[in-house]
Amino acid sequence: SAVISQKPSRDICQRGTSLTIQCQVDSQVTMMFWYRQQPGQSLTLIATANQGSEATYESGFVIDKFPISRPNLTFSTLTVSNMSPEDSSIYLCSVVLQGAGGANVLTFGAGSRLTVL
Amino acid sequence: GQNIDQPTEMTATEGAIVQINCTYQTSGFNGLFWYQQHAGEAPTFLSYNVLDGLEEKGRFSSFLSRSKGYSYLLLKELQMKDSASYLCAVRDQGTGGFKTIFGAGTRLFVKA
Repeated sequence: SAVISQKPSRDICQRGTSLTIQCQVDSQVTMMFWYRQQPGQSLTLIATANQGSEATYESGFVIDKFPISRPNLTFSTLTVSNMSPEDSSIYLCSVVLQGAGGANVLTFGAGSRLTVL
Repeated sequence: GQNIDQPTEMTATEGAIVQINCTYQTSGFNGLFWYQQHAGEAPTFLSYNVLDGLEEKGRFSSFLSRSKGYSYLLLKELQMKDSASYLCAVRDQGTGGFKTIFGAGTRLFVKA
């Protein structure tokens, strides 16, 4: 199975700054997604990272706040811009991999835990 | 739109069996998944159902009824390490058929 590496694994950020999270996969993948998990909550889909074109954002998320890059089939970045304490969350990169029995399974990186002061 | 409902919390005893239910509504069903998430860790895949019926995988089984919009995850011979959140997730046919939406999760507490 593919290895998904995210960095930073955690960071403490100041209000008003921006932070870029990187996601590297050790094999080419077509579908890559970014999720957010706020404290005590489940996962919320931010956007689909499309290779070579603009990301597709879910309702409530906009490109100015969460710019995403996907320059190739193994790498993507998510930037959290102009951060506020409400952005304190775990941000998870995920890709679709073929699992046992041929099922296409959403598989997650370890996540990036951001704390905004 | 999509809506996924599952109980917030459940408690069960070590060695017992527990069933976690999930109901969902979606405009274009393309599969139902169960994930396990321990505190501070990323979710890990447990099971996948796209056709009606029961899928068994060791101590874990998952059931799907598409006509009822209903699934359950069955955990047998509970162990203390099974204490975790269990997330029901539904894949939608949009976004190339791979957009996956998660329920709020069920926190399972296994007691001795």
